[in-house]
Amino acid sequence: DTGVSQNPRHKITKRGQNVTFRCDPISEHNRLYWYRQTLGQGPEFLTYFQNEAQLEKSRLLSDRFSAERPKGSFSTLEIQRTEQGDSAMYLCATRVGDEQFFGPGTRLTVL
Amino acid sequence: AQKITQTQPGMFVQEKEAVTLDCTYDTSDQSYGLFWYKQPSSGEMIFLIYQGSYDEQNATEGRYSLNFQKARKSANLVISASQLGDSAMYFCAMRELIYNQGGKLIFGQGTELSVKP
Repeated sequence: DTGVSQNPRHKITKRGQNVTFRCDPISEHNRLYWYRQTLGQGPEFLTYFQNEAQLEKSRLLSDRFSAERPKGSFSTLEIQRTEQGDSAMYLCATRVGDEQFFGPGTRLTVL
Repeated sequence: AQKITQTQPGMFVQEKEAVTLDCTYDTSDQSYGLFWYKQPSSGEMIFLIYQGSYDEQNATEGRYSLNFQKARKSANLVISASQLGDSAMYFCAMRELIYNQGGKLIFGQGTELSVKP
């Protein structure tokens, strides 16, 4: 257990619906990352926060994706108008020193 | 461009034997870190070992060691005395330290390790 929690663990939705995922990091970890992992691939970087500031976004993060980290604590990742291609595992990670600790992920299935 | 390559989609090893998982990387950054993660079928990413580009000695963590060959840009993971619980996907990852202030990780495509009893 890394101390990073994610909710929900699984989400099934219909195409076109909006979904929101939550990540709760260890409170003193000020760096937070979101990654997406599709089947058979390694995780791909989506976005990075230092405290409440979103400092980097990948080109993978289309206009339908938005992430927030109010007050530098928990973070949310919202996907609007979901598409079947959004089906993936969404991983949250925090960083301490050289190490990144991952949460258990949210597995999204878009029907 | 930064890139991680894992050329072994799948590997088999007999229980109690050692196994090497290959990883090569490409970066123009002079300072970087290399990581290995284990991902069991349950999905969580478990940190195994870290090697900094300026570390002179190869990193070791229990049964895991990282065979770092800087000139060849390789960072192979060696697992000694394999156990059935080692069966999982293994990912090599890199973080550039100068051109990547945020610290994001770039991952390879993974190697699926199966340990036979």
